[in-house]
Amino acid sequence: GIQVEQSPPDLILQEGANSTLRCNFSDSVNNLQWFHQNPWGQLINLFYIPSGTKQNGRLSATTVATERYSLLYISSSQTTDSGVYFCAVDSSGNTGKLIFGQGTTLQVKP
Amino acid sequence: EPEVTQTPSHQVTQMGQEVILRCVPISNHLYFYWYRQILGQKVEFLVSFYNNEISEKSEIFDDQFSVERPDGSNFTLKIRSTKLEDSAMYFCASNVILSAPQHFGDGTRLSIL
Repeated sequence: GIQVEQSPPDLILQEGANSTLRCNFSDSVNNLQWFHQNPWGQLINLFYIPSGTKQNGRLSATTVATERYSLLYISSSQTTDSGVYFCAVDSSGNTGKLIFGQGTTLQVKP
Repeated sequence: EPEVTQTPSHQVTQMGQEVILRCVPISNHLYFYWYRQILGQKVEFLVSFYNNEISEKSEIFDDQFSVERPDGSNFTLKIRSTKLEDSAMYFCASNVILSAPQHFGDGTRLSIL
């Protein structure tokens, strides 16, 4: 099955810093989503981005489907950005099954 | 904005007991999913459901698990005889079509004693 690898596994930032999180996947995908899991365990949808670039406030994401990777950019980080960021992909084509990466744990210090 | 709703938020059950986790997907969505996340680990797919049938299930989803859409709004996950290793956060998700983002509920934290 498809493999999803995220890097780095852990990241510590000072408030105000920028960061880039990476997601590599081993096969073509129909769906790619980025999630933020907050300290309460909720999975917050950040982006649906099987290809191209999107921006939402301080966050943006780019997926280069032909090269099988996606990047999540966080600019001017805030303490509320802390948590785990997951990339998830669907390569099934007909069942919607999402395969999650192991996540990047981000800690933003004040 | 419409949301996927899960109840209860936390369930504590004795080992060997049956448990039913409930979900109300977004009303016009057609595809439904259950995922689980053992504490500190990644989110794992359990099952996908469409047109009142399971479309795919993982190796985790053995005979102890079942899903049902008993009416037009609810989607349930039943574990017949719970084990300690079933302790996890269980997420329900839905989307309107396959090529659309999946929307996740807030999860049910299941603790097996």
